Amino acid sequence: GAVVSQHPSWVICKSGTSVKIECRSLDFQATTMFWYRQFPKQSLMLMATSNEGSKATYEQGVEKDKFLINHASLTLSTLTVTSAHPEDSSFYICSARGREAPYAYEQYFGPGTRLTVT
Amino acid sequence: RKEVEQDPGPFNVPEGATVAFNCTYSNSASQSFFWYRQDCRKEPKLLMSVYSSGNEDGRFTAQLNRASQYISLLIRDSKLSDSATYLCVVALFTSGTYKYIFGTGTRLKVLA
Repeated sequence: GAVVSQHPSWVICKSGTSVKIECRSLDFQATTMFWYRQFPKQSLMLMATSNEGSKATYEQGVEKDKFLINHASLTLSTLTVTSAHPEDSSFYICSARGREAPYAYEQYFGPGTRLTVT
Repeated sequence: RKEVEQDPGPFNVPEGATVAFNCTYSNSASQSFFWYRQDCRKEPKLLMSVYSSGNEDGRFTAQLNRASQYISLLIRDSKLSDSATYLCVVALFTSGTYKYIFGTGTRLKVLA
């Protein structure tokens, strides 16, 4: 099956700093990548959708200036949490979808990044 | 009303039991349906897609009722390793891409 990696797998940072999370598709070209956030005992909530080479589309209530998304290549998308605060502590998961079969039929999830802001 | 609703559980069942989960969705334009499994502190993993005609994969059977807008998952002969959270996922084509809408998940604990 398709492999999507995320780095780092966990990170602790101080309030006010910025954190960058990378999402890579390892064996297919990801024309679309999705960023989700999951708080404890809650479901995954879509934050934004990014298509390679274009600006990300953010979901309602997600601040685009705080959560910067860059999808510069067909295998890499990054999410930068700027000026992080403790309430940004969460499990951030990316997923990727390709243009052609079989990678076009579902989203392939990365292993997630656990962010703790102190 | 939530877009995708599930009973959060937990469902505590003995090994070997049969257990069923239901899920309802609100958007009649939803096009694809899935069940994912999520273990604690891990990413979701696709369990199975759900087709209108119903489909089975080993001990797992999924069904879709478009008229009533609900999806079900049946697990037969439960194993300890089935303990996890089961996420109902609905895909919707909107703004030029497929979006996944996740339910909150149903927790299953299979007891020895």
